[in-house]
Amino acid sequence: EVQLVQSGGGLVQPGGSLRLSCAASGFTFRSYWMHWVRQVPGKGLVWVSRIKSDGSSTDYADSVKGRFTISRDNAKNTLYLQMNSLRAEDTAMYYCARDSVVVTALDYWGQGTLVTVSS
Amino acid sequence: SYELTQPPSVSVSPGQTASITCSGDKLGDKYACWYQQKPGQSPILVIYQSNKRPSGIPERFSGSNSGNTATLTITGTQAMDEADYYCQAWDSSAVVFGGGTKLTVL
Repeated sequence: EVQLVQSGGGLVQPGGSLRLSCAASGFTFRSYWMHWVRQVPGKGLVWVSRIKSDGSSTDYADSVKGRFTISRDNAKNTLYLQMNSLRAEDTAMYYCARDSVVVTALDYWGQGTLVTVSS
Repeated sequence: SYELTQPPSVSVSPGQTASITCSGDKLGDKYACWYQQKPGQSPILVIYQSNKRPSGIPERFSGSNSGNTATLTITGTQAMDEADYYCQAWDSSAVVFGGGTKLTVL
């Protein structure tokens, strides 16, 4: 069974940093691109970032470019999102998701982790 | 940047057909997919490559995509289908979501 288990959210002050983790199991993690998607409570889904299966290529939404870094450890089957210089507008539920090239969609999602940026 | 536009809300009576649209420039030239999200839950993929259903998704869910519009159709809508629905497409190296449509079954 494919599972994506997230951790690392919480309350952080503006300007602070936080690292999110997404532990994968039930599939060959090193073979899949992975994404982060966020959602302000009560609002829509917004794509944040993606990383290639071997970690050699990354892409970011303009809103987080230069502040967030996506990475992965294929030996640990874990995806990360390092978030620096956090702003109030980064407050959201963050989801990791698997990118299946077979279906060209995000076919499995983590349970989400809430990040709150507030003083 | 590429944009996808959905109606904020759609209402349907139980047993009837619900159609949710998603508009974007030349969207028909891309693959569109659809996600269902119920309150407090993570999104679930219900349609991929514009018209295919993942395993486990009921046959009443179908999709189409032509011109500038992709459509999610739910035939014989059930109360359990009440949820938010998001379309999604790819724009070069970025994922783009529509704003979401709240489907109310009443």
